[in-house]
Amino acid sequence: GESVGLHLPTLSVQEGDNSIINCAYSNSASDYFIWYKQESGKGPQFIIDIRSNMDKRQGQRVTVLLNKTVKHLSLQIAATQPGDSAVYFCAENILYSGGGADGLTFGKGTHLIIQP
Amino acid sequence: KAGVTQTPRYLIKTRGQQVTLSCSPISGHRSVSWYQQTPGQGLQFLFEYFSETQRNKGNFPGRFSGRQFSNSRSEMNVSTLELGDSALYLCASSRLPGLGVETQYFGPGTRLLVL
Repeated sequence: GESVGLHLPTLSVQEGDNSIINCAYSNSASDYFIWYKQESGKGPQFIIDIRSNMDKRQGQRVTVLLNKTVKHLSLQIAATQPGDSAVYFCAENILYSGGGADGLTFGKGTHLIIQP
Repeated sequence: KAGVTQTPRYLIKTRGQQVTLSCSPISGHRSVSWYQQTPGQGLQFLFEYFSETQRNKGNFPGRFSGRQFSNSRSEMNVSTLELGDSALYLCASSRLPGLGVETQYFGPGTRLLVL
């Protein structure tokens, strides 16, 4: 999962297995969370988001789970494929009532490696 | 529809110099945000522009500045470069400001190396 420091944690999974990437966020006031995927040489790519009034949200092959009690976010990827190999970042934000927001606060990232 | 484009893709400068990076948002997008990505600090928010106005600013020194033009294209400038400014600078655009309302789309970044 996410951690503070210079080195990205790594998660290695077999192709076809499910992957679970974890993230502990810091600000209890955060009410909007996003998962991004960043492939080598590219910018982050939006995967899925969730607001704090939800516990779970599903997309195509991905599910995000939010546990506000322990400030924990997870990304589940079903049937992991070689193309899923990338660094995954969680990001948190506070949405103001007016719809505006400061920039995202990103976690350090987890490097997902797919074993054939 | 073309994605977010950033120029240049790679840049080498020396300490004390200044640099200007450019970002062209997706057509129709009016909000542009800038981020700095380094191995040590990860991704950090620099600033956000909408309608040629800076809406939000992250915790960076005044050497980092930006602007947005009437066509929504944005530039960021770093003056008096330091070694620690070496990073990947990412630009993200969305139709409107306000996360949760609009998804941000990132460009490929400009990799800056300060020697």
